[in-house]
Amino acid sequence: GQSLEQPSEVTAVEGAIVQINCTYQTSGFYGLSWYQQHDGGAPTFLSYNALDGLEETGRFSSFLSRSDSYGYLLLQELQMKDSASYFCAVRANTNAGKSTFGDGTTLTVKP
Amino acid sequence: DTGVSQNPRHKITKRGQNVTFRCDPISEHNRLYWYRQTLGQGPEFLTYFQNEAQLEKSRLLSDRFSAERPKGSFSTLEIQRTEQGDSAMYLCASSSGLQTGELFFGEGSRLTVL
Repeated sequence: GQSLEQPSEVTAVEGAIVQINCTYQTSGFYGLSWYQQHDGGAPTFLSYNALDGLEETGRFSSFLSRSDSYGYLLLQELQMKDSASYFCAVRANTNAGKSTFGDGTTLTVKP
Repeated sequence: DTGVSQNPRHKITKRGQNVTFRCDPISEHNRLYWYRQTLGQGPEFLTYFQNEAQLEKSRLLSDRFSAERPKGSFSTLEIQRTEQGDSAMYLCASSSGLQTGELFFGEGSRLTVL
């Protein structure tokens, strides 16, 4: 099976940079995804890493180290609208390719 | 709107009743997933369809839960003899199966069992 750990809460100020870490244990790893979910909304896909290294998408970047079973999401130039829950998810190397989600990190951006 | 559509958005029922949720995925997506989410937790995998075939089902899913995807298009999730512990948000997601495995989630169906 899979298990993931990420901090439950993070607080930062507008304009700052914040890093949300995720460590995982898995029996079959294909890739690590990140999703954002605002209160009452659906999770939306942010990024995906299958190989070691950094993937950059605008203000958001995601990093993966397969040897350390570790990844992080980096959010730069924080805006108030970034206040949300962020989930890391391990994608399994099975036909289903199902994703197993962590319990999420609630990010609060303060002015 | 070409996103994932779920209905009803909210369902309040009494314990012991049956409920059914419907999901209409993005039309060209052959993969469909059902997840359940409770407050403060991440989505929990329930079941997976590739086209009309149900290929994986969580061991956590009791026999009271059943899902179908006739003709590989929309899907239904039925919960029989609901219990208070079934209260949750039921999320449907679809995917094209590309490498990133990006899941496109619907807005969910919130179930409250009294």
